Amino acid sequence: SAVISQKPSRDICQRGTSLTIQCQVDSQVTMMFWYRQQPGQSLTLIATANQGSEATYESGFVIDKFPISRPNLTFSTLTVSNMSPEDSSIYLCSAGQGVTGELFFGEGSRLTVL
Amino acid sequence: GENVEQHPSTLSVQEGDSAVIKCTYSDSASNYFPWYKQELGKRPQLIIDIRSNVGEKKDQRIAVTLNKTAKHFSLHITETQPEDSAVYFCAASTNGNKLVFGAGTILRVKS
Repeated sequence: SAVISQKPSRDICQRGTSLTIQCQVDSQVTMMFWYRQQPGQSLTLIATANQGSEATYESGFVIDKFPISRPNLTFSTLTVSNMSPEDSSIYLCSAGQGVTGELFFGEGSRLTVL
Repeated sequence: GENVEQHPSTLSVQEGDSAVIKCTYSDSASNYFPWYKQELGKRPQLIIDIRSNVGEKKDQRIAVTLNKTAKHFSLHITETQPEDSAVYFCAASTNGNKLVFGAGTILRVKS
C-alpha cells in the first residue's frame, strides 16, 4: 500500500484568500485524485491529477477555482482559490496504481473559511 | 456516469450480531468494488474489495458479495464488535480509474 502525506492537516482561512494543499506519496503511483468530503457527507471527486498535463475535472468543479498540479509520479497540489465559507470542508488526496484498482487516502486537510 | 446508491444510511446492531450493508451501481462497465471504513476524524481505510470476475470474497469476519446481473454488492460483517462502529462507504470504478462513492452507512455496535 502507498503511504500518503498531506499538508496542512488543517487551516483557518479568510474569505477571498487561496490555500494550496500538498500531497506526497512514498512511492510512484499511476493515479492521483483529489476528493472533497463535507461534514457528515460522502466523498466527492474533484478531479484526476494527471502527471505532466492538465487535470481532469468532474462536473461542478473548474480549474480556475481548484487548480491542480502534478509535476511527477509522487506529488500533487490542490489550490482552493478565492475561498468562501462554502469551501469549508475536508480535502483528501488519494493515490493508486490504476490497474489494481486499490486506492489509498491521505489523512485529509480540514479547511475552515471565515 | 456511474451512480452508486447505498443502504441503509444508519445501522444499529447488538454486539455479536451480523451487519449487512447494500449498494447498487448503474454503470455495467464498473469492475472494481471496494469498501472503506472511516472512523471519526480519520482517513478512509480500505477494508475489502471485490472484482467483477469474483462473486464472493471473505476476510475473517468481513465478506463482500457481488451480483453483476443485478448490479449490486453487499458488505457482511459477522460477530460485530464495538470497534466495528464507524462509517462505511462502498464505491465502484472501471479498470482502476476514479472511484465513485456511495453515501455511506453509519454503523453503531451496541455492547
